[in-house]
Amino acid sequence: AQKITQTQPGMFVQEKEAVTLDCTYDTSDPSYGLFWYKQPSSGEMIFLIYQGSYDQQNATEGRYSLNFQKARKSANLVISASQLGDSAMYFCAMTDDGAGSYQLTFGKGTKLSVIP
Amino acid sequence: DGGITQSPKYLFRKEGQNVTLSCEQNLNHDAMYWYRQDPGQGLRLIYYSQIVNDFQKGDIAEGYSVSREKKESFPLTVTSAQKNPTAFYLCASSSPTSQETQYFGPGTRLLVL
Repeated sequence: AQKITQTQPGMFVQEKEAVTLDCTYDTSDPSYGLFWYKQPSSGEMIFLIYQGSYDQQNATEGRYSLNFQKARKSANLVISASQLGDSAMYFCAMTDDGAGSYQLTFGKGTKLSVIP
Repeated sequence: DGGITQSPKYLFRKEGQNVTLSCEQNLNHDAMYWYRQDPGQGLRLIYYSQIVNDFQKGDIAEGYSVSREKKESFPLTVTSAQKNPTAFYLCASSSPTSQETQYFGPGTRLLVL
């Protein structure tokens, strides 16, 4: 069974600073995908970034980058130049294609607060 | 605009009542999913469907039912058998060319009266 662990219930960051949100995962499948989603107070889950298990390079999307360390089974999200609008819950998730269903398994999330 | 819509935004259920949550997408996605989120928790999968007229149970399917008669629609019924239905329900869909990435609707909050 897959498992996602996010050990930081809450994080604070100063505006314009960078912040790293931690995520570790556990799976026995050789092929899997790792995701980060942002959930503002409105509730909608917003897709941020994806990393495939066979991707050689770390994924980047604008101010978001995924620090993928396969041997450590970690997939940390780095947000550069934090903005007030980045204040939200952040969820790490993974899927495997073993069953062909691409089901997502989520962590419990980290609440990020950006301080002006 | 292409996207996923969910209705209603808030839903109230009386004891013993079945209620149906709507999920519609115009992204031409084949796969659709229903998740439940409890306070302070991540999402848990209720049901998913990869093609029309076919669907599979997720981790917490008991007390729920779904149908997939059209590609665009994947309604979720919360039956009276679901004893603790108060939660935030999110619908998602994924593209046939990029099945890993799921895109979510705005969600429905279900409360029990």
